[in-house]
Amino acid sequence: DQQVKQNSPSLSVQEGRISILNCDYTNSMFDYFLWYKKYPAEGPTFLISISSIKDKNEDGRFTVFLNKSAKHLSLHIVPSQPGDSAVYFCAARNLYGQNFVFGPGTRLSVLP
Amino acid sequence: DTEVTQTPKHLVMGMTNKKSLKCEQHMGHRAMYWYKQKAKKPPELMFVYSYEKLSINESVPSRFSPECPNSSLLNLHLHALQPEDSALYLCASSPGGRDSRSVATNEKLFFGSGTQLSVL
Repeated sequence: DQQVKQNSPSLSVQEGRISILNCDYTNSMFDYFLWYKKYPAEGPTFLISISSIKDKNEDGRFTVFLNKSAKHLSLHIVPSQPGDSAVYFCAARNLYGQNFVFGPGTRLSVLP
Repeated sequence: DTEVTQTPKHLVMGMTNKKSLKCEQHMGHRAMYWYKQKAKKPPELMFVYSYEKLSINESVPSRFSPECPNSSLLNLHLHALQPEDSALYLCASSPGGRDSRSVATNEKLFFGSGTQLSVL
């Protein structure tokens, strides 16, 4: 049973437009959420995170929104750039836990 | 140094071989992790070491044996693997909490580039 779900396996966006990647979770004990980006033949790299006491966190072109009642979070990238093309993983953990649970990923393609 | 270094990058082994994967970080992190990732699947947690003590073992078969010689090094010893064990093995580290049973509230993982393992 997947505790972290990313229902869109892939997403294509035009350069300069907004990319919105979605993530849903089922475990109500999750209190801390992260987004990772992965290029082929590389390990995932940390992008942005949010704790459950917030509903929004912004870092440059990247913003993560959290709707705790809906158990849903989203990553907004604006404006999207071709270099953003990668697989994006949503991850979650209990606030004091060491088990980071990952979603299946969404492959983002930003078209020039 | 903000890197997690994994060696080798690629490994091909037979089912009777014994091999080891190595991971090193010099960020002063006190927690280190092994994840396994199959193609088009998310990384799955195998083991966590915190302050050099094994704190999580996700029911991994005994043919995988982790070792944490010190706070900077993490090994994964492989013996009698099966073809279905072929995957990308990712090492990660995180700062860790005050002790082996805690984590920082904003704890995040720093990953190495992985070892692509093929078992023939």
